[in-house]
Amino acid sequence: AQSVAQPEDQVNVAEGNPLTVKCTYSVSGNPYLFWYVQYPNRGLQFLLKYITGDNLVKGSYGFEAEFNKSQTSFHLKKPSALVSDSALYFCALVRHQTGANNLFFGTGTRLTVIP
Amino acid sequence: KAGVTQTPRYLIKTRGQQVTLSCSPISGHRSVSWYQQTPGQGLQFLFEYFSETQRNKGNFPGRFSGRQFSNSRSEMNVSTLELGDSALYLCASSGSGTSVFNEQFFGPGTRLTVL
Repeated sequence: AQSVAQPEDQVNVAEGNPLTVKCTYSVSGNPYLFWYVQYPNRGLQFLLKYITGDNLVKGSYGFEAEFNKSQTSFHLKKPSALVSDSALYFCALVRHQTGANNLFFGTGTRLTVIP
Repeated sequence: KAGVTQTPRYLIKTRGQQVTLSCSPISGHRSVSWYQQTPGQGLQFLFEYFSETQRNKGNFPGRFSGRQFSNSRSEMNVSTLELGDSALYLCASSGSGTSVFNEQFFGPGTRLTVL
């Protein structure tokens, strides 16, 4: 089955510390992976995507993600967390189906950055 | 550029009624996708429209339908509402022809409550 999994419902990190939000994927063929963030009472915002190329993808707001094919992972990282990074983070995968493709989202990880 | 707008922002209906939600994409965007977000099921893809044609469809019953107008505005309709339809309905637009592979811009959502 083509899917993504976010093993942690909640991640807490101190302000200024590095943060990691985990995502693993399962797909037949090449994966197309995304990270989106959702702030309270707002829609989702695109952070970054991996289609092909460099395994380290840089995105918005200082975030980056590392694509690891052998571990089937696409973890989101940031060197120094800000309180304003507190939000709900979603990993997503393009799921290929006959005649159609759609975006499959993980269950989300709530990140809390503690001042 | 104005972002994706969704109306109404909040809606309360009773079981058995039907509802229509509206989405205006970013000017120039021709692809509009709809998603349902619930605490139990997470974010699920409903359907995508491009140039007034439904291009992709998720795994939802026929009570969920949509359409897109020539100005790219889209509406989503749910008939015979059930309690389980209570959710945040998100609309996203994309400027490219194949939205799933590119950044999607999300609206703030319509919060539907079914009593």
